[in-house]
Amino acid sequence: AQSVTQLGSHVSVSEGALVLLRCNYSSSVPPYLFWYVQYPNQGLQLLLKYTSAATLVKGINGFEAEFKKSETSFHLTKPSAHMSDAAEYFCAVTINQGGKLIFGQGTELSVKP
Amino acid sequence: DVKVTQSSRYLVKRTGEKVFLECVQDMDHENMFWYRQDPGLGLRLIYFSYDVKMKEKGDIPEGYSVSREKKERFSLILESASTNQTSMYLCASMWLQGTDTQYFGPGTRLTVL
Repeated sequence: AQSVTQLGSHVSVSEGALVLLRCNYSSSVPPYLFWYVQYPNQGLQLLLKYTSAATLVKGINGFEAEFKKSETSFHLTKPSAHMSDAAEYFCAVTINQGGKLIFGQGTELSVKP
Repeated sequence: DVKVTQSSRYLVKRTGEKVFLECVQDMDHENMFWYRQDPGLGLRLIYFSYDVKMKEKGDIPEGYSVSREKKERFSLILESASTNQTSMYLCASMWLQGTDTQYFGPGTRLTVL
């Protein structure tokens, strides 16, 4: 069975600092991995996804993530945080069973001025 | 732009009431999903549907049912609402392939008193 673990339910960074949100997955077959973002009072929107092409994936708003099979990780990074990045971030995995996603618990990102 | 709409943003119901949550997508997507979102638990899949009149149970289907009579509409039904069904409910739709993006509605925050 697949699972996703996000380390840290809350992460706080200063504006301009590096953002690092951690995601580890468990899957018995090659997974497809996603990061979604949820801004306050909104639904989720896709930031980026890994589908077995390049291991370094670039997404919207300057975010990127690297698939590391040896570490079973798919951590999300952004070099310089902006106040508008404050949101909840979800990592998710699928093995293409009709698109059924397994989500992590979510990480709330706060950005301090 | 893909649009997924949900019938209500906020809903308050009493224990034992029958509750209908409606979701409509405008992109002719084959797959539709209902999730519930709870703090610290991320998103959990309740039911999903691959096609009209087809449905499959997700990870937490107990106490819920669904209906998909038309391709664009997917309804979640709480036959007899209970307080432990107080939650945020999110609908999503996607095209056919498992690695495609899921598009989410804004969510319905349901409170059962």
